[in-house]
Amino acid sequence: DIVMTQSPDSLAVSLGERATINCKSSQSVLYGSSNKNYLAWYQQKPGQPPKLLIYWASTRESGVPDRFSGSGSGTDFTLTISSLQAEDVAVYYCQQYYGISTFGQGTKVEIK
Amino acid sequence: QLQLQESGPGLVKPSETLSLTCTVSGGSISSGSYYWGWIRQPPGKGLEWIGSIHYSGSTYYNPSLRSRVTISVDTSKNQVSLKVSSVTAADTAVYYCARRYYDTSRSQRYYFDYWGQGMLVTVSS
Repeated sequence: DIVMTQSPDSLAVSLGERATINCKSSQSVLYGSSNKNYLAWYQQKPGQPPKLLIYWASTRESGVPDRFSGSGSGTDFTLTISSLQAEDVAVYYCQQYYGISTFGQGTKVEIK
Repeated sequence: QLQLQESGPGLVKPSETLSLTCTVSGGSISSGSYYWGWIRQPPGKGLEWIGSIHYSGSTYYNPSLRSRVTISVDTSKNQVSLKVSSVTAADTAVYYCARRYYDTSRSQRYYFDYWGQGMLVTVSS
């Protein structure tokens, strides 16, 4: 199985500041024939199911604010919240769908 | 608006079989462009994919759970079902039903774009 490792496990950011979450896969999730990275990001607020934010590593899901962006390729990926809002407090997960689907352990984002 | 709703017993005894149903409304489960998956989350922990099924009956399971899991589909009721046999306390989790995008041209399954609210199942005597 492809192991997904996120860092940090938690971070506290001031309102309006940038939050950066990293996700590393144990093997490349870049699919050669399509040149796409098989990686998604989800946001999970307390008591709610995960919500899809980003897929193909950088494509924002419809309705997701543009302060959320995804980047990276191969084995190293980043989710950036450009200007943290109070409603962004949540746990964020990366998921690879290159092989058997696996998720990172999650990164908790809080307000400093 | 597509909605997924999990239902079933919230308490299961050790060694018994956990059974859950996901009812899909606002859309057809028979769309060829999607698989319907189950994901679970132990209290305070991360997400684990259990398995997925296509309306045609094609299934894929997490190898770590394959020997105990059965996923089925009832297109007449727009429902997907999950059974996990021989449960232990380690199977205590919130169980989510989710729609998974399927690329028919590549026969590949991708991200989960719609999720149910989830159902907590506790394994305890």
